[in-house]
Amino acid sequence: DTEVTQTPKHLVMGMTNKKSLKCEQHMGHRAMYWYKQKAKKPPELMFVYSYEKLSINESVPSRFSPECPNSSLLNLHLHALQPEDSALYLCASSRTGTSGSYEQYFGPGTRLTVT
Amino acid sequence: DAKTTQPTSMDCAEGRAANLPCNHSTISGNEYVYWYRQIHSQGPQYIIHGLKNNETNEMASLIITEDRKSSTLILPHATLRDTAVYYCIVRVAGGTSYGKLTFGQGTILTVHP
Repeated sequence: DTEVTQTPKHLVMGMTNKKSLKCEQHMGHRAMYWYKQKAKKPPELMFVYSYEKLSINESVPSRFSPECPNSSLLNLHLHALQPEDSALYLCASSRTGTSGSYEQYFGPGTRLTVT
Repeated sequence: DAKTTQPTSMDCAEGRAANLPCNHSTISGNEYVYWYRQIHSQGPQYIIHGLKNNETNEMASLIITEDRKSSTLILPHATLRDTAVYYCIVRVAGGTSYGKLTFGQGTILTVHP
């Protein structure tokens, strides 16, 4: 099974709401990633977790709060977002190892609209 | 990671081979060339990667020049379902236990009937 699942598929939230995006994989991958993709732009890395520890934060605003509760799950908690945060949020996972040649598997994404 | 240059868009007739070029003239010896594609409104999909040698899998072939400064992704018999944005990414191997991908603008491949 090479599937990464993301829920919900679509989310509309107000600027004062708190919501969470969920990502799950059962491939035994110990690296998990959050990307943000604006319309007609390439995906941009936000966070990387390796062995359930945050390894990279690409200077993402604190209104985005990632969490990796176990090796299969990755959450992205959202609070006080701005309309410009509307985008497709993609989760990915990969094997780990210092050879660094492992491909990433992406989920279908959550389409977020902030009103 | 080295920067890549790809044509903005390309067209291909269904059933013909699609050859997508990528320039990575500043690539280092320990950097891999990866190809991903993204079909409209879906997550990116891994296609293939290579270091020095040409590679082939069930989806595509990757041809890397001897000096490694450019590569070509070949879809041998393009179908309408291959219409997508194709990303060429160069990424360093080793050093960390995970891989950081930096996507460029990619090539929009349109396959015509």
